Amino acid sequence: EPEVTQTPSHQVTQMGQEVILRCVPISNHLYFYWYRQILGQKVEFLVSFYNNEISEKSEIFDDQFSVERPDGSNFTLKIRSTKLEDSAMYFCASTSLNLLANEQFFGPGTRLTVL
Amino acid sequence: GDSVTQMEGPVTLSEEAFLTINCTYTATGYPSLFWYVQYPGEGLQLLLKATKADDKGSNKGFEATYRKETTSFHLEKGSVQVSDSAVYFCALSADTGGFKTIFGAGTRLFVKA
Repeated sequence: EPEVTQTPSHQVTQMGQEVILRCVPISNHLYFYWYRQILGQKVEFLVSFYNNEISEKSEIFDDQFSVERPDGSNFTLKIRSTKLEDSAMYFCASTSLNLLANEQFFGPGTRLTVL
Repeated sequence: GDSVTQMEGPVTLSEEAFLTINCTYTATGYPSLFWYVQYPGEGLQLLLKATKADDKGSNKGFEATYRKETTSFHLEKGSVQVSDSAVYFCALSADTGGFKTIFGAGTRLFVKA
């Protein structure tokens, strides 16, 4: 069964450093998303991406964040200068609009720890 | 905007007890509704879903019915097991929200042997 994959599973970085989180969505999906879950809290929407551009972003997704689909398979989230409060689990998701349920398929997540 | 409200936890039950986790939603469009489960240290797994009013989603003994009149999607299981201990998230996805998924705060369930 096709699945969304994410790398790395755990990233540790120093405050102020840039990080890139990588995702490989399901191959025939058209919409891509990033979500964030701070430890013990709810899952929050960050950004959606369609047709090579951002279609929607939340207040969390400020100028320190960017997304890119550099090739036909990868979808990346970059944090330019990490802060302590960026420590969280980051989930990538993808969906095909052909699915009646609008169901999104989530990756296993990348745990980001900022020291 | 669209939102999901679910009962606060933690919920602690004995094995074989009946489980209900309440969930209500607010949406301007016609959302699909979901329950996701997150086991300790793991990612999000889709537990069940419903796409329209009166649909019942079911999986692994869990059930939830899409009630448009009460804007609810309560999760139920007749007999819980220790292995059901996890955090349960109610969620919706609607075309008016750009198809993003909006999650409730999550309800932690502890099941004692």
